[in-house]
Amino acid sequence: GIQVEQSPPDLILQEGANSTLRCNFSDSVNNLQWFHQNPWGQLINLFYIPSGTKQNGRLSATTVATERYSLLYISSSQTTDSGVYFCAVVNYGGSQGNLIFGKGTKLSVKP
Amino acid sequence: EPEVTQTPSHQVTQMGQEVILRCVPISNHLYFYWYRQILGQKVEFLVSFYNNEISEKSEIFDDQFSVERPDGSNFTLKIRSTKLEDSAMYFCANPSRDRDYGYTFGSGTRLTVV
Repeated sequence: GIQVEQSPPDLILQEGANSTLRCNFSDSVNNLQWFHQNPWGQLINLFYIPSGTKQNGRLSATTVATERYSLLYISSSQTTDSGVYFCAVVNYGGSQGNLIFGKGTKLSVKP
Repeated sequence: EPEVTQTPSHQVTQMGQEVILRCVPISNHLYFYWYRQILGQKVEFLVSFYNNEISEKSEIFDDQFSVERPDGSNFTLKIRSTKLEDSAMYFCANPSRDRDYGYTFGSGTRLTVV
């Protein structure tokens, strides 16, 4: 099945710094989402971005489907950005649209 | 964006007991999914449900698990005889009606087997 690799696995930032999280996937996709898992375990949908670029406040994401990667940019990071960021994809033509998750990037933002 | 709601938020159960986790998905949606996340690990697919039938299940979804739609709006995930390794966060999810939104996840049920 499709493989989803995220990097880095862990990231520590000082408040105010910028960061880039990467998601590589091994096959064509027709759905790609970025999630933030907060300290309570909830999965918050950040972006639905199978291709192109989107921005929402301090966050933006870019997916280059032809090269099979996606990037999540966090600018001017805040302590509330801490948590785990997951990339998840649906394999193009894959089984009934099941989301396949990467292992996540654990982000810690220090004050 | 409509919400997917799950109950309970946290359940503690004795090993060997049956548990039922509940979810109210986005209304009138044909597709429905259950996922599991063991603490500190990635989110894993359990089972998909389409038009009142299981459409696909993973290796994790063995005979101890079952999924039902007891009425028109609720879905349940039942674990018949819980094991310690069933301790995890369980999420239900729907594809959103908004094509630009992707999948919506419930807030999860944290199951602790002791």
